[in-house]
Amino acid sequence: DAMVIQNPRYQVTQFGKPVTLSCSQTLNHNVMYWYQQKSSQAPKLLFHYYDKDFNNEADTPDNFQSRRPNTSFCFLDIRSPGLGDAAMYLCATSRDGGDLATNEKLFFGSGTQLSVL
Amino acid sequence: LAKTTQPISMDSYEGQEVNITCSHNNIATNDYITWYQQFPSQGPRFIIQGYKTKVTNEVASLFIPADRKSSTLSLPRVSLSDTAVYYCLVGDMDTGRRALTFGSGTRLQVQP
Repeated sequence: DAMVIQNPRYQVTQFGKPVTLSCSQTLNHNVMYWYQQKSSQAPKLLFHYYDKDFNNEADTPDNFQSRRPNTSFCFLDIRSPGLGDAAMYLCATSRDGGDLATNEKLFFGSGTQLSVL
Repeated sequence: LAKTTQPISMDSYEGQEVNITCSHNNIATNDYITWYQQFPSQGPRFIIQGYKTKVTNEVASLFIPADRKSSTLSLPRVSLSDTAVYYCLVGDMDTGRRALTFGSGTRLQVQP
Protein backbone atom coordinates (compact mmCIF):
# COMPACT_ATOMS: atom_id res chain seq x y z
CA ASP A 1 0.00 0.00 0.00
CA ALA A 2 1.19 3.51 -0.77
CA MET A 3 2.14 5.25 2.41
CA VAL A 4 4.28 7.64 4.41
CA ILE A 5 6.93 5.95 6.51
CA GLN A 6 8.86 7.53 9.33
CA ASN A 7 11.92 6.09 10.93
CA PRO A 8 12.69 5.54 13.66
CA ARG A 9 9.45 5.37 15.63
CA TYR A 10 11.26 6.46 18.78
CA GLN A 11 14.51 8.42 18.93
CA VAL A 12 16.52 9.33 21.98
CA THR A 13 19.27 11.90 21.74
CA GLN A 14 21.41 13.86 24.09
CA PHE A 15 21.17 17.54 24.74
CA GLY A 16 23.09 19.32 21.99
CA LYS A 17 23.79 16.19 19.93
CA PRO A 18 22.63 16.51 16.31
CA VAL A 19 19.86 14.18 15.27
CA THR A 20 18.23 13.34 11.96
CA LEU A 21 14.72 12.05 11.46
CA SER A 22 13.72 10.33 8.23
CA CYS A 23 10.60 10.21 6.12
CA SER A 24 9.87 8.35 2.93
CA GLN A 25 6.76 8.17 0.78
CA THR A 26 5.47 5.90 -1.95
CA LEU A 27 2.58 8.20 -2.92
CA ASN A 28 4.71 10.16 -5.40
CA HIS A 29 3.36 13.39 -3.93
CA ASN A 30 5.16 16.58 -4.81
CA VAL A 31 4.79 18.27 -1.43
CA MET A 32 6.29 17.05 1.83
CA TYR A 33 5.84 18.63 5.25
CA TRP A 34 7.32 18.43 8.72
CA TYR A 35 5.18 19.13 11.75
CA GLN A 36 6.13 19.25 15.41
CA GLN A 37 3.57 18.11 17.96
CA LYS A 38 4.13 18.51 21.67
CA SER A 39 2.08 16.69 24.25
CA SER A 40 -1.61 17.66 24.22
CA GLN A 41 -1.03 20.28 21.55
CA ALA A 42 -1.97 20.52 17.89
CA PRO A 43 0.59 19.76 15.19
CA LYS A 44 2.64 22.82 14.28
CA LEU A 45 3.99 23.24 10.78
CA LEU A 46 7.77 23.70 10.70
CA PHE A 47 8.42 23.78 6.95
CA HIS A 48 7.57 22.11 3.71
CA TYR A 49 9.01 21.29 0.33
CA TYR A 50 7.08 22.03 -2.82
CA ASP A 51 9.07 19.76 -5.12
CA LYS A 52 12.59 21.04 -4.44
CA ASP A 53 11.52 24.45 -3.21
CA PHE A 54 11.96 24.82 0.54
CA ASN A 55 9.38 26.87 2.47
CA ASN A 56 10.21 27.72 6.05
CA GLU A 57 7.58 28.90 8.52
CA ALA A 58 8.44 32.29 9.99
CA ASP A 59 8.65 31.06 13.57
CA THR A 60 10.61 27.85 12.95
CA PRO A 61 13.89 28.04 14.89
CA ASP A 62 17.16 28.00 12.93
CA ASN A 63 18.04 24.88 14.88
CA PHE A 64 15.72 22.96 12.57
CA GLN A 65 16.78 22.20 9.01
CA SER A 66 15.46 19.95 6.31
CA ARG A 67 16.71 18.15 3.23
CA ARG A 68 14.84 16.55 0.35
CA PRO A 69 17.29 14.69 -1.87
CA ASN A 70 14.56 13.29 -4.11
CA THR A 71 10.78 13.01 -4.40
CA SER A 72 10.52 10.06 -2.04
CA PHE A 73 12.67 11.13 0.89
CA CYS A 74 12.76 14.03 3.29
CA PHE A 75 14.90 14.52 6.39
CA LEU A 76 14.55 16.68 9.46
CA ASP A 77 17.84 17.73 11.04
CA ILE A 78 17.95 19.18 14.52
CA ARG A 79 21.40 20.67 14.89
CA SER A 80 21.53 21.12 18.66
CA PRO A 81 18.49 19.60 20.33
CA GLY A 82 17.33 21.23 23.52
CA LEU A 83 14.98 19.84 26.14
CA GLY A 84 12.19 21.90 24.60
CA ASP A 85 12.55 20.05 21.30
CA ALA A 86 11.26 16.82 22.77
CA ALA A 87 8.11 16.14 20.79
CA MET A 88 6.45 13.98 18.17
CA TYR A 89 7.67 14.88 14.71
CA LEU A 90 5.21 14.18 11.94
CA CYS A 91 5.95 13.95 8.26
CA ALA A 92 3.13 14.48 5.79
CA THR A 93 2.67 14.62 2.04
CA SER A 94 0.13 16.06 -0.33
CA ARG A 95 -0.44 16.33 -4.03
CA ASP A 96 -0.55 20.04 -4.61
CA GLY A 97 -3.45 21.23 -6.67
CA GLY A 98 -2.10 24.65 -7.58
CA ASP A 99 -1.87 28.09 -6.07
CA LEU A 100 -5.55 28.53 -5.40
CA ALA A 101 -6.26 25.05 -4.16
CA THR A 102 -7.12 24.56 -0.53
CA ASN A 103 -8.60 21.16 -1.14
CA GLU A 104 -5.41 19.23 -0.72
CA LYS A 105 -5.40 16.33 1.67
CA LEU A 106 -2.50 15.64 3.96
CA PHE A 107 -1.23 12.09 4.37
CA PHE A 108 0.71 11.60 7.59
CA GLY A 109 3.22 9.09 8.77
CA SER A 110 3.02 7.58 12.24
CA GLY A 111 5.55 10.05 13.58
CA THR A 112 8.87 9.88 15.40
CA GLN A 113 8.77 10.50 19.13
CA LEU A 114 11.93 12.36 20.04
CA SER A 115 13.28 12.38 23.57
CA VAL A 116 16.14 14.66 24.61
CA LEU A 117 18.17 13.66 27.65
CA LEU B 1 -7.13 35.94 14.99
CA ALA B 2 -8.08 32.29 15.27
CA LYS B 3 -8.64 30.64 11.93
CA THR B 4 -10.92 27.96 13.31
CA THR B 5 -12.72 27.54 16.61
CA GLN B 6 -13.89 24.19 17.96
CA PRO B 7 -15.04 22.95 21.35
CA ILE B 8 -12.09 21.74 23.38
CA SER B 9 -13.73 18.47 24.32
CA MET B 10 -16.89 16.42 23.98
CA ASP B 11 -18.18 13.30 25.66
CA SER B 12 -20.51 10.71 24.19
CA TYR B 13 -21.66 7.15 24.62
CA GLU B 14 -21.40 4.26 22.26
CA GLY B 15 -24.12 4.17 19.64
CA GLN B 16 -24.88 7.89 19.80
CA GLU B 17 -24.48 10.36 16.98
CA VAL B 18 -21.83 13.00 17.63
CA ASN B 19 -21.79 16.41 15.99
CA ILE B 20 -18.68 18.58 16.23
CA THR B 21 -19.02 22.13 14.99
CA CYS B 22 -16.16 24.27 13.75
CA SER B 23 -16.38 28.04 13.26
CA HIS B 24 -14.35 29.61 10.45
CA ASN B 25 -15.70 33.13 10.09
CA ASN B 26 -12.89 34.29 7.81
CA ILE B 27 -13.20 31.50 5.26
CA ALA B 28 -12.38 32.65 1.74
CA THR B 29 -14.43 32.02 -1.37
CA ASN B 30 -12.23 29.23 -2.68
CA ASP B 31 -11.48 27.56 0.67
CA TYR B 32 -12.44 23.98 1.30
CA ILE B 33 -13.06 22.60 4.78
CA THR B 34 -11.10 19.53 5.75
CA TRP B 35 -11.40 17.37 8.86
CA TYR B 36 -8.77 15.09 10.34
CA GLN B 37 -8.85 12.50 13.11
CA GLN B 38 -5.88 11.79 15.35
CA PHE B 39 -5.43 8.88 17.72
CA PRO B 40 -2.78 9.02 20.47
CA SER B 41 0.76 8.47 19.21
CA GLN B 42 -0.33 8.48 15.57
CA GLY B 43 -0.37 11.01 12.78
CA PRO B 44 -3.64 12.72 11.85
CA ARG B 45 -5.80 10.92 9.33
CA PHE B 46 -7.99 12.56 6.70
CA ILE B 47 -11.70 12.01 7.39
CA ILE B 48 -13.72 14.20 5.07
CA GLN B 49 -13.62 17.36 3.00
CA GLY B 50 -16.28 19.64 1.61
CA TYR B 51 -16.98 23.00 0.04
CA LYS B 52 -20.70 23.52 0.55
CA THR B 53 -23.95 21.82 1.56
CA LYS B 54 -23.42 18.20 2.55
CA VAL B 55 -20.78 15.57 1.98
CA THR B 56 -21.02 11.98 3.15
CA ASN B 57 -18.58 9.11 3.06
CA GLU B 58 -18.28 5.77 4.80
CA VAL B 59 -16.91 7.38 7.96
CA ALA B 60 -18.76 10.65 8.49
CA SER B 61 -20.93 13.43 7.12
CA LEU B 62 -20.02 17.06 6.79
CA PHE B 63 -22.68 19.76 6.87
CA ILE B 64 -21.84 23.24 5.63
CA PRO B 65 -24.43 26.04 5.76
CA ALA B 66 -24.88 28.51 2.94
CA ASP B 67 -22.69 31.21 4.50
CA ARG B 68 -19.89 28.63 5.02
CA LYS B 69 -18.80 30.32 8.25
CA SER B 70 -19.10 27.07 10.13
CA SER B 71 -19.20 23.36 9.46
CA THR B 72 -20.38 20.34 11.41
CA LEU B 73 -18.73 16.95 11.39
CA SER B 74 -21.27 14.24 12.12
CA LEU B 75 -20.17 10.81 13.32
CA PRO B 76 -23.07 8.33 13.27
CA ARG B 77 -23.30 5.73 16.01
CA VAL B 78 -19.89 6.23 17.56
CA SER B 79 -17.93 3.41 19.12
CA LEU B 80 -15.09 3.37 21.62
CA SER B 81 -12.64 3.38 18.74
CA ASP B 82 -13.84 6.85 17.70
CA THR B 83 -12.21 8.32 20.80
CA ALA B 84 -9.71 10.72 19.27
CA VAL B 85 -8.96 14.37 18.60
CA TYR B 86 -10.75 15.90 15.62
CA TYR B 87 -9.38 18.90 13.76
CA CYS B 88 -11.00 21.09 11.13
CA LEU B 89 -8.76 23.01 8.74
CA VAL B 90 -9.46 25.79 6.28
CA GLY B 91 -7.29 27.96 4.10
CA ASP B 92 -4.79 30.10 5.96
CA MET B 93 -3.26 33.36 4.76
CA ASP B 94 0.01 32.45 6.50
CA THR B 95 0.41 29.44 4.22
CA GLY B 96 -0.85 30.98 1.02
CA ARG B 97 -4.41 29.98 1.87
CA ARG B 98 -3.55 26.32 1.97
CA ALA B 99 -5.18 24.29 4.72
CA LEU B 100 -2.07 23.39 6.70
CA THR B 101 -2.63 25.01 10.09
CA PHE B 102 -4.15 22.91 12.84
CA GLY B 103 -6.25 24.58 15.48
CA SER B 104 -6.77 23.27 18.97
CA GLY B 105 -9.04 20.44 17.88
CA THR B 106 -11.85 18.70 19.74
CA ARG B 107 -11.04 15.81 22.02
CA LEU B 108 -13.88 13.29 21.76
CA GLN B 109 -14.23 10.75 24.52
CA VAL B 110 -16.63 7.88 23.87
CA GLN B 111 -17.82 5.96 26.92
CA PRO B 112 -19.25 2.42 26.96
